[in-house]
Amino acid sequence: QKEVEQDPGPLSVPEGAIVSLNCTYSNSAFQYFMWYRQYSRKGPELLMYTYSSGNKEDGRFTAQVDKSSKYISLFIRDSQPSDSATYLCAMSGRAGNMLTFGGGTRLMVKP
Amino acid sequence: ETGVTQSPTHLIKTRGQQVTLRCSSQSGHNTVSWYQQALGQGPQFIFQYYREEENGRGNFPPRFSGLQFPNYSSELNVNALELDDSALYLCASSSGTIGETQYFGPGTRLLVL
Repeated sequence: QKEVEQDPGPLSVPEGAIVSLNCTYSNSAFQYFMWYRQYSRKGPELLMYTYSSGNKEDGRFTAQVDKSSKYISLFIRDSQPSDSATYLCAMSGRAGNMLTFGGGTRLMVKP
Repeated sequence: ETGVTQSPTHLIKTRGQQVTLRCSSQSGHNTVSWYQQALGQGPQFIFQYYREEENGRGNFPPRFSGLQFPNYSSELNVNALELDDSALYLCASSSGTIGETQYFGPGTRLLVL
């Protein structure tokens, strides 16, 4: 079993929909949680960074962390075709240390 | 402020050869991490360098080695290339301070034939 599990998708939604992306993990030492967006053949781009449990909002994006359930989520409001990409969750036990990634969820937002 | 840069962008090698990939960290960052991303998978941690010293290593064999230079740029060397080494190799830099995360370069796509 992988340390971080993520549904690979693809997830297809109409433009304007609310998107929910999720990851589960098994290592209780993880304290820092990130979401990256990766366009085809590009490097990952940091979207959200959260420490420990709680919610964080940035524009159309909201990240949630539930450490008791070992479950993290990313919500995208008013999704746009430009949001079509692969979304990677990542986590670490100490800031700046190695990141453990999920396998990524491919999202397609249709006009 | 320039971001993380990597060279070359693409590379084709044959099995058994050796390859060197290069990374320039973001201005002000002293920590560089390397990741391997196979097609359709998430990145896997190879190793990290902090102030020219290896500071953690993932589950990769010794034929994967690295260097960090005084200007904090870095190299990843892979010897005796295997077909399974075909992947996108990502470099990420960070300041190493608490609360800071890693910022990725565009990657080098390596194809081993």
